[in-house]
Order: sequence, then C-alpha cells, then structure tokens
Amino acid sequence: GAVVSQHPSRVICKSGTSVKIECRSLDFQATTMFWYRQFPKQSLMLMATSNEGSKATYEQGVEKDKFLINHASLTLSTLTVTSAHPEDSSFYICSASRGHEKLFFGSGTQLSVL
Amino acid sequence: DAKTTQPPSMDCAEGRAANLPCNHSTISGNEYVYWYRQIHSQGPQYIIHGLKNNETNEMASLIITEDRKSSTLILPHATLRDTAVYYCIVRPQLGGYQKVTFGTGTKLQVIP
Repeated sequence: GAVVSQHPSRVICKSGTSVKIECRSLDFQATTMFWYRQFPKQSLMLMATSNEGSKATYEQGVEKDKFLINHASLTLSTLTVTSAHPEDSSFYICSASRGHEKLFFGSGTQLSVL
Repeated sequence: DAKTTQPPSMDCAEGRAANLPCNHSTISGNEYVYWYRQIHSQGPQYIIHGLKNNETNEMASLIITEDRKSSTLILPHATLRDTAVYYCIVRPQLGGYQKVTFGTGTKLQVIP
C-alpha cells in the first residue's frame, strides 16, 4: 500500500538552531500534505496545509516564520523549525492523500530542543 | 474544530469485543467516517472507513447509524496490541486537499 515516509524519526538539537523534517510520499504523488504537532498525552493539532508549488496555509496561531514549509515537488514536503526553543519540543507528524483515498501518515519525528 | 466527540477512555478484556462509539451529529452528506488508531510515539494507522453502510475488514467492523449521526468501531477480539488511542474523524473522500482536524480520541486499554 501507499506509504508516507518521514525523516528523521528523532532529533535532538540545541536551542537557537534550525531543524528540517522531511515527508515523502513513496509511491504516489501528493499535491497536498498536512503537518501536525502533538504534545504528550494530547491529540494531533493541525499546523498547516502544504500545497505543491504554492505557499502553505497555516492554522490560526501557528507562526509561519517559525515553521517554514516547502513543498517543492509532488513527493516531498519539508518542515523547518527555525531558531528552535525548548517549547518547540514536540512530536511532529505529516500526512498525505493519494488522490481520493484515505490519509496516510508518516511515522512522526520526535523533536527535543535542549 | 473537531467534528466528532468520543469518550476519553475505555477498558476491554483481552479476547472480548471492544466497541468504541463516536458522535458526529453535524456530518455532511458527502463526508465519510474514518477511524484511525495511534500507538504511543507512532503515526496514526488507518483502520476503516464508511459512508452509510456498515463496513468490515480484517481489522475491524464499522457500524454507522441510519441517520449517520453516530458510529461504532468494533474490534471483535481485542488483544493487548490493540491498546492505543482511537480517533474517529469525518472527511470528504473526494477531498485530498481537505484538511482534517482530530478530536481527543478514545484511549483503549486492553486488560489481560
């Protein structure tokens, strides 16, 4: 079946550095991908919708300059957490639909900012 | 805002059926009901979806009420590996661009 690959699975960085997370659709083209953030014992919170070839659409309260999204091809979207701080530590998950089918989710990235 | 409401937690004895309810009283005619589950520190895993008819696959069964305002996910013989948070969401199937918001889900604990 379709697979969404997310990398890295875990990253630890120092405060003030930037971290890039990649999300790839392995066997299908995804014009739209979604990025979620999840804090411990909480549900997934939609951060933004990534559209191939155009600007991402951010949910209210999500800083677009803080969380840079690039969807340069039909199989790759990246989320860059710029100038990361400890409060950005969270579990980040991407997802994508293959055409009219169900959403497939990546395995997630655990970000820890020291 | 999430369009679904679920009980926060449930317990189920191993080997018994787990019945997880979901309310989606504002569901639109073109929206499907999807169920996913999330095991700790992993991405959500697709379980099943349906529009108005009951559905069954190798993982579970989905029962949707006639008015489509609620549904029940049934795991016929729960195992310890079914311990997870289960999310019910509604979404147009023909909408790859349609964003999906998650509710709080139901944490299912399967007890030996």
